[in-house]
Amino acid sequence: SQKIEQNSEALNIQEGKTATLTCNYTNYSPAYLQWYRQDPGRGPVFLLLIRENEKEKRKERLKVTFDTTLKQSLFHITASQPADSATYLCALPASGGSYIPTFGRGTSLIVHP
Amino acid sequence: KAGVTQTPRYLIKTRGQQVTLSCSPISGHRSVSWYQQTPGQGLQFLFEYFSETQRNKGNFPGRFSGRQFSNSRSEMNVSTLELGDSALYLCASAPRTGTFYEQYFGPGTRLTVT
Repeated sequence: SQKIEQNSEALNIQEGKTATLTCNYTNYSPAYLQWYRQDPGRGPVFLLLIRENEKEKRKERLKVTFDTTLKQSLFHITASQPADSATYLCALPASGGSYIPTFGRGTSLIVHP
Repeated sequence: KAGVTQTPRYLIKTRGQQVTLSCSPISGHRSVSWYQQTPGQGLQFLFEYFSETQRNKGNFPGRFSGRQFSNSRSEMNVSTLELGDSALYLCASAPRTGTFYEQYFGPGTRLTVT
């Protein structure tokens, strides 16, 4: 089965800097990959979806890249703000055509003022 | 448009008891999925209901069950609760079955089993 790895250590950065989070996966070639934001005690909120034939996708201050050769996605937040502090999850559809999502454990981002 | 709602938000139960959680999807959404989130295992898929039928199922024991009503509202039941069932239970709705890329999550129900 596929395995998703996200850095379990929290990422601490200063306000205004660019935050970069990593999602690595194995044993699989997904048709797309998603990124979610989750605040403590709340459900995940969908941010971006990038398809296998897309190298990069942007939405306001967010940018996602998808390298199917490296089996890696990078999630960037430019000009980060304290309000961006949250846990960010990546998710892949399961293999076999069911598209049931498999989620990474998430990386906690802390933006310091 | 109102989002996904879940009730109750917090619940404390004792080992061996059973519990029922409720989820109301976004208006017009007919697919409801349930997830369990724990610090140890992360966010894991339980099952999906569409048109009152279970369409997909994750790798959880039979103690976890669900149902969906004709108005698309869904309930999840856990019988014979174990300490390890303590988790945040999330429901997500989507317009159609299998469209997990379009799902919207509710705020979750925090279940504590003592």
